[in-house]
Amino acid sequence: TQLLEQSPQFLSIQEGENLTVYCNSSSVFSSLQWYRQEPGEGPVLLVTVVTGGEVKKLKRLTFQFGDARKDSSLHITAAQPGDTGLYLCAGARGNEKLTFGTGTRLTIIP
Amino acid sequence: DSGVTQTPKHLITATGQRVTLRCSPRSGDLSVYWYQQSLDQGLQFLIQYYNGEERAKGNILERFSAQQFPDLHSELNLSSLELGDSALYFCASSIGTSGETQYFGPGTRLLVL
Repeated sequence: TQLLEQSPQFLSIQEGENLTVYCNSSSVFSSLQWYRQEPGEGPVLLVTVVTGGEVKKLKRLTFQFGDARKDSSLHITAAQPGDTGLYLCAGARGNEKLTFGTGTRLTIIP
Repeated sequence: DSGVTQTPKHLITATGQRVTLRCSPRSGDLSVYWYQQSLDQGLQFLIQYYNGEERAKGNILERFSAQQFPDLHSELNLSSLELGDSALYFCASSIGTSGETQYFGPGTRLLVL
């Protein structure tokens, strides 16, 4: 059973469009992280959200943690080819290690 | 640069063979994690070590084993290799064991022919 389901699994859009990817769970997490993995490299942390309802912005990327701390979303405005990659959410619970989501593979077409 | 190093970067071998992948964590990190990533797939957690001891186990095959040494570097041993073992293998490290940020190495790309 996958604790963190991400949707969509694959997304291909034109440069300049907006998009939202989702990370959903039936479990409550104490915090949630988003990572981006570019082709041929390891995942790199983008942001950590810790409070229910929290919104964090990183340039054109907006991250939101659900009020109940069970879900999160990532919204990208005016997508650019450099946004291409695999986006992974990862949740922290208690004394457990991070649990990574299923991933959303994003392709931005120039 | 995450501070996590992995060697080798690429590995080509034949079915039935055995290989060893090496990982050095960031300075000060005590936890090491191993992940497998097949083509166009997400990360599959294999195993975690913390300060030399096995801490958590994921979907790791019996043909695979790992260990963490006193200097905190880790090795992942893959034996009786099959074509389906071809994948990217990532090592990550973190300070502790409870949901801290994980820092990933550049990965080892394994191709089994």
